[in-house]
Amino acid sequence: DTGVSQDPRHKITKRGQNVTFRCDPISEHNRLYWYRQTLGQGPEFLTYFQNEAQLEKSRLLSDRFSAERPKGSFSTLEIQRTEQGDSAMYLCASSLSLAGASTDTQYFGPGTRLTVL
Amino acid sequence: AQSVSQHNHHVILSEAASLELGCNYSYGGTVNLFWYVQYPGQHLQLLLKYFSGDPLVKGIKGFEAEFIKSKFSFNLRKPSVQWSDTAEYFCAVNNNQGGKLIFGQGTELSVKP
Repeated sequence: DTGVSQDPRHKITKRGQNVTFRCDPISEHNRLYWYRQTLGQGPEFLTYFQNEAQLEKSRLLSDRFSAERPKGSFSTLEIQRTEQGDSAMYLCASSLSLAGASTDTQYFGPGTRLTVL
Repeated sequence: AQSVSQHNHHVILSEAASLELGCNYSYGGTVNLFWYVQYPGQHLQLLLKYFSGDPLVKGIKGFEAEFIKSKFSFNLRKPSVQWSDTAEYFCAVNNNQGGKLIFGQGTELSVKP
């Protein structure tokens, strides 16, 4: 399978702990996105990268959240000092954006479900 | 503010009934439009997309959607639903440079056999 993969699929943690999630995009996709989805809602944008560069970060994202894509391939999303309100599904998507084109399509991974106790 | 509104939160249909799910967006400039589907226990999958050209786009599994620019709408249709169409459906938009998607809150479709 050459789709977007995420690890772990489930994470249970205690409030105040740090957690890190990993996303591996579709090979050769240059854009990678992170979203958060809570029950009954659509995915909400968090941040995205083009290659190594973080191009946009949601203003809703607190300083406890940080994301990296150091080599332009996989990405990690870290949440420090987790709170119960961080409990959600964290989704990763990737796309291929070509210069001068606007037609990249995002393909989603299975998500990491975070539960903060 | 950029937003997407899906009018129906939960739709219940019998097999063979026709389906139309509403989607309206508020977004400045030229847009790309998408419908994604999430089957039970599975991840988000692309149903169809509109970038430009013919406003009537066809997707997988017999779904189609029509972009009506004057109404800021991108409604999803299927002439005859099947039990296997039971899923949650999300409408999404981004600008013509790509980038972040703005999603609607989703419509849960239940198809009775």
